[in-house]
Amino acid sequence: DVKVTQSSRYLVKRTGEKVFLECVQDMDHENMFWYRQDPGLGLRLIYFSYDVKMKEKGDIPEGYSVSREKKERFSLILESASTNQTSMYLCASNTAGTDNEKLFFGSGTQLSVL
Amino acid sequence: ILNVEQSPQSLHVQEGDSTNFTCSFPSSNFYALHWYRWETAKSPEALFVMTLNGDEKKKGRISATLNTKEGYSYLYIKGSQPEDSATYLCASDNYGQNFVFGPGTRLSVLP
Repeated sequence: DVKVTQSSRYLVKRTGEKVFLECVQDMDHENMFWYRQDPGLGLRLIYFSYDVKMKEKGDIPEGYSVSREKKERFSLILESASTNQTSMYLCASNTAGTDNEKLFFGSGTQLSVL
Repeated sequence: ILNVEQSPQSLHVQEGDSTNFTCSFPSSNFYALHWYRWETAKSPEALFVMTLNGDEKKKGRISATLNTKEGYSYLYIKGSQPEDSATYLCASDNYGQNFVFGPGTRLSVLP
């Protein structure tokens, strides 16, 4: 079974702190994604990566950056956390091609910024 | 950004009832439509990936249909059970775009 692991289930940070959310997948997937989920909205794409050291902005990249130094690990960085970044963050991965393009998700990190 | 809509937003049914909900997506440049089930405190899990107009997929008591010309998909659950309680997400995969998710339908099955 594909496993996507996110480092923390719950996280509480203060405004202005630098926050790292880590995601690791064990199926050698090329593609990795970071989404955030807010009540009443669909999952919104923050950043994604198609390969090591490659990154692409998603729909809402402002206030975030990412790092992909190894194929299995994709980190989301909040340079200076703000209260409007309080959200559920989901990491996902997949590999290109037909039905395998389905996304495999981590269990999410609920981040609260106070 | 493309718009994907789901209805209803939430649904309460009795155990044993059959139910269905809708996903509407842009039909232009369509590539695939995904359905995911997201149980509380768990990871969203893929139910179906559908690409062909008129396609119907089934997994146990759950099935889905796809109409790519008019841009909608239905998800059906036959004989709902409490373990079916979850949020059901659809996502549209269109050429030149990233996956776009709908807001989800939250299903509660009451015993």
